[in-house]
Amino acid sequence: AQTVTQSQPEMSVQEAETVTLSCTYDTSESNYYLFWYKQPPSRQMILVIRQEAYKQQNATENRFSVNFQKAAKSFSLKISDSQLGDTAMYFCAFMKHWRSRLTFGEGTQLTVNP
Amino acid sequence: DAGVIQSPRHEVTEMGQEVTLRCKPISGHDYLFWYRQTMMRGLELLIYFNNNVPIDDSGMPEDRFSAKMPNASFSTLKIQPSEPRDSAVYFCASHSGTEAFFGQGTRLTVV
Repeated sequence: AQTVTQSQPEMSVQEAETVTLSCTYDTSESNYYLFWYKQPPSRQMILVIRQEAYKQQNATENRFSVNFQKAAKSFSLKISDSQLGDTAMYFCAFMKHWRSRLTFGEGTQLTVNP
Repeated sequence: DAGVIQSPRHEVTEMGQEVTLRCKPISGHDYLFWYRQTMMRGLELLIYFNNNVPIDDSGMPEDRFSAKMPNASFSTLKIQPSEPRDSAVYFCASHSGTEAFFGQGTRLTVV
């Protein structure tokens, strides 16, 4: 079974600075998919970024980028130029193949301070 | 498209009562998932359907929980009888194949 671990329960950052959230996972699969989801106080689950394991290039979406280290089974999220609206719980998630279940980490509560 | 629609958004019920949560997936999505979020256990899968057929219900905690998908546009999650430990946020999600789209969740409180 796959497991996802987020070792940082809480983090804080000053507005406009950069922050990195960590995630490690365990799987015996060679092809899979990784995601970061954002959950603001409204509790809506919002997809931030996805990474296909077969792609060596790290995914980027505007201010959000990942550092995907397949051998180390590490998948960190970097948020540049942090904004107050980035304050939320962030979940790392693993998916074995398209349309299969998502396995979530414990979450990291990120607070962006003005 | 209005996205995945869940109802109700909040539900407060007394222990022992039957509770039914509802979900309307995005049209054309053939996979539907029910997840539960609690402080203690985080986000966990309860059950998922493909083309209205339950594929994996191993996450359903016990016989008090049941889920149905009578057609492609509607699914229910029922708890009977409800217990205080069922208090959680219940999410429904449908898949496009490349992305899981979540509803806004139902916050269930059993008192």
